[in-house]
Amino acid sequence: GDSVTQMEGPVTLSEEAFLTINCTYTATGYPSLFWYVQYPGEGLQLLLKATKADDKGSNKGFEATYRKETTSFHLEKGSVQVSDSAVYFCALSDSNNAGNMLTFGGGTRLMVKP
Amino acid sequence: GAVVSQHPSWVICKSGTSVKIECRSLDFQATTMFWYRQFPKQSLMLMATSNEGSKATYEQGVEKDKFLINHASLTLSTLTVTSAHPEDSSFYICSAPGTGLFSNQPQHFGDGTRLSIL
Repeated sequence: GDSVTQMEGPVTLSEEAFLTINCTYTATGYPSLFWYVQYPGEGLQLLLKATKADDKGSNKGFEATYRKETTSFHLEKGSVQVSDSAVYFCALSDSNNAGNMLTFGGGTRLMVKP
Repeated sequence: GAVVSQHPSWVICKSGTSVKIECRSLDFQATTMFWYRQFPKQSLMLMATSNEGSKATYEQGVEKDKFLINHASLTLSTLTVTSAHPEDSSFYICSAPGTGLFSNQPQHFGDGTRLSIL
């Protein structure tokens, strides 16, 4: 079955540091890949997505590239801010699944200190 | 703005109370909605798929009689936690697959409901 594995947190960084959160996946079909962000006490918001190999998703300074050869979709940001503190979820939607089902990774908590 | 509205955002009640959580799709119709449960510092666990006009599909291990789901219309699904006990305390999140103008992502999420049972 499908699965998503992402690095365990918490990840603690100082403001303006470089961020990488690793995400790898297994899927039976041709997945689309997503990063969601969850701020404290809130639901999930789509941060970025990529629908095919070599696509790069980007939003709010965050980027992730769909790497089919390494089955990865690592999240990066060049300079984090305190306001980026949140939990980040990597997820996939498999073309073999009906109804837009999502498979989530375990989530990675990011804490950015001033 | 939000395309899925979830209400209430926080509930505190006594053990034995039944609690209803509403999930509404705004500006689009949703024949399917999803209900998730999230334990502290953990990922989302899919509880059930709510289907308009038919019974919900529950994931393995989820008690159907404990978590009643009703998909009353094309824009509303409700989750009722019956006779809630402290172990039911959790963060519950709903989502709906986007359609039409909202099909840019597989699911749009509500802001969640924090349920605390005393």
